[in-house]
Amino acid sequence: DAKTTQPNSMESNEEEPVHLPCNHSTISGTDYIHWYRQLPSQGPEYVIHGLTSNVNNRMASLAIAEDRKSSTLILHRATLRDAAVYYCILRDRGSTLGRLYFGRGTQLTVWP
Amino acid sequence: NAGVMQNPRHLVRRRGQEARLRCSPMKGHSHVYWYRQLPEEGLKFMVYLQKENIIDESGMPKERFSAEFPKEGPSILRIQQVVRGDSAAYFCASSFRDRGISGNTIYFGEGSWLTVV
Repeated sequence: DAKTTQPNSMESNEEEPVHLPCNHSTISGTDYIHWYRQLPSQGPEYVIHGLTSNVNNRMASLAIAEDRKSSTLILHRATLRDAAVYYCILRDRGSTLGRLYFGRGTQLTVWP
Repeated sequence: NAGVMQNPRHLVRRRGQEARLRCSPMKGHSHVYWYRQLPEEGLKFMVYLQKENIIDESGMPKERFSAEFPKEGPSILRIQQVVRGDSAAYFCASSFRDRGISGNTIYFGEGSWLTVV
């Protein structure tokens, strides 16, 4: 699976939007972009995924660049509960769903 | 609908003992995955199982580690003769399908924290 690059850490204030970037310059045409997050002392939690078009769900939005070499996870209004490590993961459409390559992710700190 | 259940949440073992970690997948899920997270590191895939079958164990250490998912009962990750380096969080995940994308994702349990003293 192609590699992703994320900043080690980011900070935000509560109630403000957060834009978490992810670079994946070697992405292939069949790679889906997944985002998971991991709260302290918990297992990873699915956030969102997409292929080419921007995606929205109740948790977040995913903005995918036109060339697909980068994407941004958008939390519209950060809360203290959003403080977590966010992982951007590429998964080939044909590969096993649960065989994911987690990098170091981005540690998001949310200040009250 | 209960999520992925792991137990025990915390386990302390002395060097040389055996550790058994259990995972009950979400209802209706027949695909189970185990991951390990060493302190200050990311999650690493260990093994993928279906009922009574090991599908992919490419991430499992060659010795002392084994996994099973019997026809009845939870999936078990077994670590024999534990060493201090086995201290980690072990996460189980499950899914309804093993591939495809629409609506599919995997769900993780809250983990089992193993401490070897």
